[in-house]
Amino acid sequence: DTEVTQTPKHLVMGMTNKKSLKCEQHMGHRAMYWYKQKAKKPPELMFVYSYEKLSINESVPSRFSPECPNSSLLNLHLHALQPEDSALYLCASSPPDRENTQYFGPGTRLTVL
Amino acid sequence: AQTVTQSQPEMSVQEAETVTLSCTYDTSENNYYLFWYKQPPSRQMILVIRQEAYKQQNATENRFSVNFQKAAKSFSLKISDSQLGDTAMYFCAFMEYGNKLVFGAGTILRVKS
Repeated sequence: DTEVTQTPKHLVMGMTNKKSLKCEQHMGHRAMYWYKQKAKKPPELMFVYSYEKLSINESVPSRFSPECPNSSLLNLHLHALQPEDSALYLCASSPPDRENTQYFGPGTRLTVL
Repeated sequence: AQTVTQSQPEMSVQEAETVTLSCTYDTSENNYYLFWYKQPPSRQMILVIRQEAYKQQNATENRFSVNFQKAAKSFSLKISDSQLGDTAMYFCAFMEYGNKLVFGAGTILRVKS
């Protein structure tokens, strides 16, 4: 089982709003990731959590704030976003016996007005 | 830095025929992992096939197989008996260490009936 779920599927927000994206997996995966993907482009890594600790931050602006409250849940808090932040946000996770392999969720389509 | 090159921006194939997508990569390491991901218009990034560099045998998954040429740093994907549901963007990806996937630019594959 390699199911990663993401909510919401779509999100529209204004530049002054605060919102959160949620990612869940119940497969015992201990590494979780956030990616940003623009149309017809490959995903760009934003953050990596390993055993609930932030291990990689790819110099992402502070208006994006990740959180890993437990081993099954990964959040991405959004505040004061810009229109250029509109994109597909993908979550992924890796099982402990295949840490080099990432399984992706369906993504959240974010539009910033 | 590691790079992944997909030289075919777009390809078309007739249903039931075979198509090969190209991928080359650059690394100085000996141990690494290679992947092909499929992203249909529904946008979910799906793992198609995975290859460990230390294994000489080419990976296969049903109609999908790879031609892994380590010395040439080439990792092509062959899709046999193409189906309409294979229409998608295909990304080649490379992982050396540290959970960081490096993606190619992608190849849009259209399967025609």
